[in-house]
Amino acid sequence: GENVEQHPSTLSVQEGDSAVIKCTYSDSASNYFPWYKQELGKRPQLIIDIRSNVGEKKDQRIAVTLNKTAKHFSLHITETQPEDSAVYFCAANPIRTDSWGKLQFGAGTQVVVTP
Amino acid sequence: EAQVTQNPRYLITVTGKKLTVTCSQNMNHEYMSWYRQDPGLGLRQIYYSMNVEVTDKGDVPEGYKVSRKEKRNFPLILESPSPNQTSLYFCASSPGTGGTEAFFGQGTRLTVV
Repeated sequence: GENVEQHPSTLSVQEGDSAVIKCTYSDSASNYFPWYKQELGKRPQLIIDIRSNVGEKKDQRIAVTLNKTAKHFSLHITETQPEDSAVYFCAANPIRTDSWGKLQFGAGTQVVVTP
Repeated sequence: EAQVTQNPRYLITVTGKKLTVTCSQNMNHEYMSWYRQDPGLGLRQIYYSMNVEVTDKGDVPEGYKVSRKEKRNFPLILESPSPNQTSLYFCASSPGTGGTEAFFGQGTRLTVV
C-alpha cells in the first residue's frame, strides 16, 4: 500500500519568510496529491491539490510542486503571515476504482509563524 | 449549508462500554471515511465506504465497526472500547470518484478510561 512521509514535523518561520514542507510517497500509481490545513481545534480543510499531469500549481501565496520521477511533492508558502500557523498534512491517492478510497496522509507539519 | 456532522463532539467512556459515533453528510457524496488523529501519527484511516452497503478496511480497523445503510450516514461503532482508542476522530465525505476534495466533520474527542 501507499506510504507517505512528511518533513519536517515542526517548522518555525519569521513572518514574511517562506515555508517549505516536503513529502515523499511510495506507490507509483498515486496520481492525486492534496494538502490540508488544520488550525488549532478545527477540522482539516483542503488548501490546494495537484494531479500527476501537472508539475506545479499556484494559488496566491501557496504553491505545490510535484516530481513524479522522484516521488516527492512539496508545499511552498510565501510571505508567511500569523494566520498561516497551523498543522499541514500532505496526502496521496491513486485515482483508480479499486483504491480511490484510500487517501493516505502524512504525519503532519506544525508551522509556527512568529511576528 | 453543505456539511459533515459528527456527534458527539466530546465523549468520555469506560473500558468495554459499547459506543457509537454518528456521521451524516448532506452533499449526496458516495464516499465516506473515518480517520483517527493521534500526535505524531497524522490522520490514519479506519474504514471507508464507497457507497451504500460497500465498506472496506483502512489502515487501523481493529476494534472498530462501521455500517452504511443509507447514503448520508456512516456511523462508527466501538463494541468494546479500550484506552488505546482514546483519540480524535474525524469523519469525511467526498464525491464518488477519486481525486476530489474530502470534507471533514468537526471531530469527536474520545477518551476511554
